[in-house]
Amino acid sequence: AQSVAQPEDQVNVAEGNPLTVKCTYSVSGNPYLFWYVQYPNRGLQFLLKYITGDNLVKGSYGFEAEFNKSQTSFHLKKPSALVSDSALYFCAVRDGNAGNMLTFGGGTRLMVKP
Amino acid sequence: DGGITQSPKYLFRKEGQNVTLSCEQNLNHDAMYWYRQDPGQGLRLIYYSQIVNDFQKGDIAEGYSVSREKKESFPLTVTSAQKNPTAFYLCASTRPNAYTEAFFGQGTRLTVV
Repeated sequence: AQSVAQPEDQVNVAEGNPLTVKCTYSVSGNPYLFWYVQYPNRGLQFLLKYITGDNLVKGSYGFEAEFNKSQTSFHLKKPSALVSDSALYFCAVRDGNAGNMLTFGGGTRLMVKP
Repeated sequence: DGGITQSPKYLFRKEGQNVTLSCEQNLNHDAMYWYRQDPGQGLRLIYYSQIVNDFQKGDIAEGYSVSREKKESFPLTVTSAQKNPTAFYLCASTRPNAYTEAFFGQGTRLTVV
């Protein structure tokens, strides 16, 4: 069975500092990995995805993510955090060998302080 | 504009009532999902449907029912058997290909009064 783990319930960072939100996954086949962001009382918005190729993926709002096959990780990063980045972030995986089911991690709350 | 629409945005249910949450998409997506989110928590899968007239239980299907009579629509009924239905409900849709991202509706907040 596929699974996603986000080991940190909350990440605190000062505005202007780099941020990292961690994600590890487990799948039987090739992983297709996604990051989403959720603002209060809203649906999830797609940020970026890894399909194949370059391990560093760039997405919306200056976010990027690094795929590491040996560590089965897909950490979300941003060089300089903004207060407006404060939100709930979800990592997700789809496994082509598991009926393309979409599985989410438990979410990480990012708090960026001025 | 293509998208996925959930209605209503807020819904109040009395004890013992069934209520139905609407989810409609015009993205021509085959797969649709219902998730439940409790305050500060992650997403828990209730039901999903990969094609019309077929659906599967997720992790927390008890007390819920769905139908998929049309590709565009995947309504969720919260029955009186669901003992703690107060939550935020999210609907999503995807193309069947594993490399495509999901699109989400804006959610329905259900409160038992």
